[in-house]
Amino acid sequence: DAGVIQSPRHEVTEMGQEVTLRCKPISGHNSLFWYRQTMMRGLELLIYFNNNVPIDDSGMPEDRFSAKMPNASFSTLKIQPSEPRDSAVYFCASSLQDNNEQFFGPGTRLTVL
Amino acid sequence: DAKTTQPPSMDCAEGRAANLPCNHPTISGNEYVYWYRQIHSQGPQYIIHGLKNNETNEMASLIITEDRKSSTLILPHATLRDTAVYYCIVRVWGGATNKLIFGTGTLLAVQP
Repeated sequence: DAGVIQSPRHEVTEMGQEVTLRCKPISGHNSLFWYRQTMMRGLELLIYFNNNVPIDDSGMPEDRFSAKMPNASFSTLKIQPSEPRDSAVYFCASSLQDNNEQFFGPGTRLTVL
Repeated sequence: DAKTTQPPSMDCAEGRAANLPCNHPTISGNEYVYWYRQIHSQGPQYIIHGLKNNETNEMASLIITEDRKSSTLILPHATLRDTAVYYCIVRVWGGATNKLIFGTGTLLAVQP
């Protein structure tokens, strides 16, 4: 298995632009998580899905952030418009719903200028 | 809100055992102790978890005190590649919510 796949690995954009991060979970996993990591705030859970349905989005910082999971093998995290304070590493993770071992992807390093 | 406290950093000599402590004084009876680690520039990696019995796998051992208010992760023979931030997390197994709350962790530096 290739593990959790994220793209792009690095993204540099200008303030105000739309950013879309992508994630492919491990095949067969039915829970998917989006995290953000910064030096100041550490690793924060943004949102998670069970069986493609958003369960808890309380960590999404504001309306500029949105996440979708149209099917079991794909999810997106979108920031529109982006701001410099959104600069961070964004991780996607997946797990079996009844197994708390989460498998993390390599992350997307986002820089908003 | 993290329910655990860990020292911010520790050093360990290569080849020696690394013992990473974690305090969780308010742990509930149905909460498990999980350990993850994050090597620089990588995503976190699951290590081990346990409820009240000591656990061992190919990566580490987990020792939980009898009152379950603290635990220790043991890497029996630390290598340079074990240098990472180690996170101790407590939460309920399974259930309707399936999320982990990461604290600040312990930066373990394995010295040659």
